[in-house]
Amino acid sequence: DIQMTQSPSSLSAFVGDRVTITCRASQGISNSLAWYQQKAGKAPKFLVHAASVLERGVPSRFSGSGSGTDYTLTISSLEPEDFATYYCQQYYSTPYTFGQGTKLEIK
Amino acid sequence: EVQLLESGGGLVQPGGSLRLSCAASGFTFSNSAMTWVRQTPGKGLEWVSTISNSGSRTYFADFVKGRFTISRDNSENTVHLQMNSLRAEDTAVYHCAKSRLGTTSPFDYWGQGILVTVSS
Repeated sequence: DIQMTQSPSSLSAFVGDRVTITCRASQGISNSLAWYQQKAGKAPKFLVHAASVLERGVPSRFSGSGSGTDYTLTISSLEPEDFATYYCQQYYSTPYTFGQGTKLEIK
Repeated sequence: EVQLLESGGGLVQPGGSLRLSCAASGFTFSNSAMTWVRQTPGKGLEWVSTISNSGSRTYFADFVKGRFTISRDNSENTVHLQMNSLRAEDTAVYHCAKSRLGTTSPFDYWGQGILVTVSS
């Protein structure tokens, strides 16, 4: 199974800050990497696929990058609605696996 | 607007069975693979099972293999997860999710989830 290690597990930041979340796969996943945002009590929201392709309607302050085993999600300037939990997921091979999540909190 | 609505959850005793359903609307259901993902505070998000658009191919996580089955009815736009021999560790919120393309693709829409509690 491919293990996805996400860091940090939690992060406090101010509105307007730039933040980066990292996801490392235990083996190469050929950019088969997605990012999701989840707010408390809500369904996860799909943000990015193929490591760097933003889903339609996702604000341009979000960006994804990476290759091989190492990937990042960056929010260039935090807005109040961005405070949530973020998950990475590999869909390179079954079992599809998720990172443990990064809880982004307001400072 | 894509909507995925899960039903069938609840409290069940260890060893019991439960059948989850997911009613889909707002997209061409028969073109999309569908997936169940479960979520707990301790383990986060766990992929459970995926079924191809035609239903001919199914995939399962090892921890449910032999106990859970997945099926779909393209005439009714529904996908089902039959859960047998339930264990305490199967307690979770179960989300239905639509695959963006085929079975090897991320999940572009998710349902709110339905709680399954396995306890005596």
